[in-house]
Amino acid sequence: AQTVTQSQPEMSVQEAETVTLSCTYDTSENNYYLFWYKQPPSRQMILVIRQEAYKQQNATENRFSVNFQKAAKSFSLKISDSQLGDTAMYFCAFMNSGNTPLVFGKGTRLSVIA
Amino acid sequence: EAGVTQFPSHSVIEKGQTVTLRCDPISGHDNLYWYRRVMGKEIKFLLHFVKESKQDESGMPNNRFLAERTGGTYSTLKVQPAELEDSGVYFCASSRYTPSPLHFGNGTRLTVT
Repeated sequence: AQTVTQSQPEMSVQEAETVTLSCTYDTSENNYYLFWYKQPPSRQMILVIRQEAYKQQNATENRFSVNFQKAAKSFSLKISDSQLGDTAMYFCAFMNSGNTPLVFGKGTRLSVIA
Repeated sequence: EAGVTQFPSHSVIEKGQTVTLRCDPISGHDNLYWYRRVMGKEIKFLLHFVKESKQDESGMPNNRFLAERTGGTYSTLKVQPAELEDSGVYFCASSRYTPSPLHFGNGTRLTVT
């Protein structure tokens, strides 16, 4: 069974600084998808960024980028120029290429400090 | 487009009572998922509908949980009778295709006392 591990329950970062959230996963599959979701205090979970395993290039979305290391099964999220609105729970998630459900990590609570 | 909506946002019930949670997916999304997060733990998959059919219900914890999606539109998740360990946040999500990123609702926070 696939598992997703987020080893940092809580992190904090100063406004405008850069922070990296860690995520590792375990799978025997070769084709899969990885996601980072963000859940602000208002509670709706939204997609931050996604990565297809067959793509070597790391995904980027504005201030958000990932460091995808397929051999190491690592998928970290880097947030540059952190903003107060980035304060949220961040969940790393894995999905097989087949019709299988998302598997989530336990989440990392990120606080951006003014 | 309207997002995924869930009702109620909070529910507090006593052990042994029944609660029904509702989810309205994004219009046109055939795939509907239920997930649950118990405080401090992972978000766990409960089940997956494709239209009105249960595609995967391997995550349903026991027969006290009943999910339906009549007509392939909104879905309900009933817990009967509720137990203390059922407390948590229940999320609904939908997608048009699979595999595809999921669109989540705000969740229903269920507290069983």
